Amino acid sequence: EAGVAQSPRYKIIEKRQSVAFWCNPISGHATLYWYQQILGQGPKLLIQFQNNGVVDDSQLPKDRFSAERLKGVDSTLKIQPAKLEDSAVYLCASSSWNEQFFGPGTRLTVL
Amino acid sequence: DAKTTQPNSMESNEEEPVHLPCNHSTISGTDYIHWYRQLPSQGPEYVIHGLTSNVNNRMASLAIAEDRKSSTLILHRATLRDAAVYYCILWGSGTYKYIFGTGTRLKVLA
Repeated sequence: EAGVAQSPRYKIIEKRQSVAFWCNPISGHATLYWYQQILGQGPKLLIQFQNNGVVDDSQLPKDRFSAERLKGVDSTLKIQPAKLEDSAVYLCASSSWNEQFFGPGTRLTVL
Repeated sequence: DAKTTQPNSMESNEEEPVHLPCNHSTISGTDYIHWYRQLPSQGPEYVIHGLTSNVNNRMASLAIAEDRKSSTLILHRATLRDAAVYYCILWGSGTYKYIFGTGTRLKVLA
């Protein structure tokens, strides 16, 4: 089966610019997660969707980050405006029940 | 959210067994114990999970203490390709939520 797809793989932007990441989960997986992983740290959950509804977004900085999952399939994560501290790898994962499958991640560098 | 505690780093010689410990004293009755690993420049990948009984698969074994307050991931013969950060995670069957800690960085010596 195809894995979790993410794009772009790399992105370099200047602070105060906007950026968007895209994720296509494994077909049939109802739960989708976005994580932020800063260098040297474990992944931090930003938002969790169940189908197209938000289950948990308690750690999402809502003044600058937004995410949506239209039709319960693909998802986009947006940052507007970006700050230097947003430099990280953004990981998307999906799960069918109790096993998560991760995409390759998008490495964001904010200059 | 229940938390896990792991050593920051461990070393092992190639071809020898490795025991990676994890403490989770606040685990609830419905929490599953999951292990993921993250190879350099990759997303985490699933290793194994269990609820109460010890579990084996082709990658590893998971030994769970009787009181479920700790567990140990066992790699039976470490290879250089097993060098990674290993995360012990409690997964709530009601929330479907995974909370990653800082993990254990395993170094395998040739």
